[in-house]
Amino acid sequence: DGGITQSPKYLFRKEGQNVTLSCEQNLNHDAMYWYRQDPGQGLRLIYYSQIVNDFQKGDIGEGYSVSREKKESFPLTVTSAQKNPTAFYLCASVRGDTQYFGPGTRLTVL
Amino acid sequence: AQSVTQLDSQVPVFEEAPVELRCNYSSSVSVYLFWYVQYPNQGLQLLLKYLSGSTLVKGINGFEAEFNKSQTSFHLRKPSVHISDTAEYFCAVKGGQNFVFGPGTRLSVLP
Repeated sequence: DGGITQSPKYLFRKEGQNVTLSCEQNLNHDAMYWYRQDPGQGLRLIYYSQIVNDFQKGDIGEGYSVSREKKESFPLTVTSAQKNPTAFYLCASVRGDTQYFGPGTRLTVL
Repeated sequence: AQSVTQLDSQVPVFEEAPVELRCNYSSSVSVYLFWYVQYPNQGLQLLLKYLSGSTLVKGINGFEAEFNKSQTSFHLRKPSVHISDTAEYFCAVKGGQNFVFGPGTRLSVLP
């Protein structure tokens, strides 16, 4: 069964700790994206990758890092430099001109 | 650069009534247009998309949207809503490599 998986669904961390969010897809899509969603706001682009071993910062990439070593995987690390990390994080991949989303990870920093 | 405006942040409507969620965009290039639905604590699910061809697009769950190039709009409509349509709806445009999303409209269907 093809799709995009994100884990964990809920994540709690102490302030000052780095944390890595997982995103995996078995759809054979080349492009993958990370977004952040805050209450009452749309989606804001953190990072995107069009191909393995290549990625670019989006509109709000500061305080985040990514890697793209495999086509299927695009993990996001929220570093301690990110001032307001508590948010809902969404991963997506693209087929043609259409974007498909994973179920999201809700990160809460205490 | 592209931008998306969703004119209504919240739309309350009674069950079985029609609804229209408004979306306007700006872009200097040709765009593709999308509507997504998001239920609480879930990802976004594609409702429908306009890539080319007929300006009236039909999607899942009985929704449809009409692309109007002269008014740069892509409004979402449903003739009769159900309680289960209560959710957040996002309009999005793609011009170039990236997607730009509107702030969302919360549709509340009342019994």
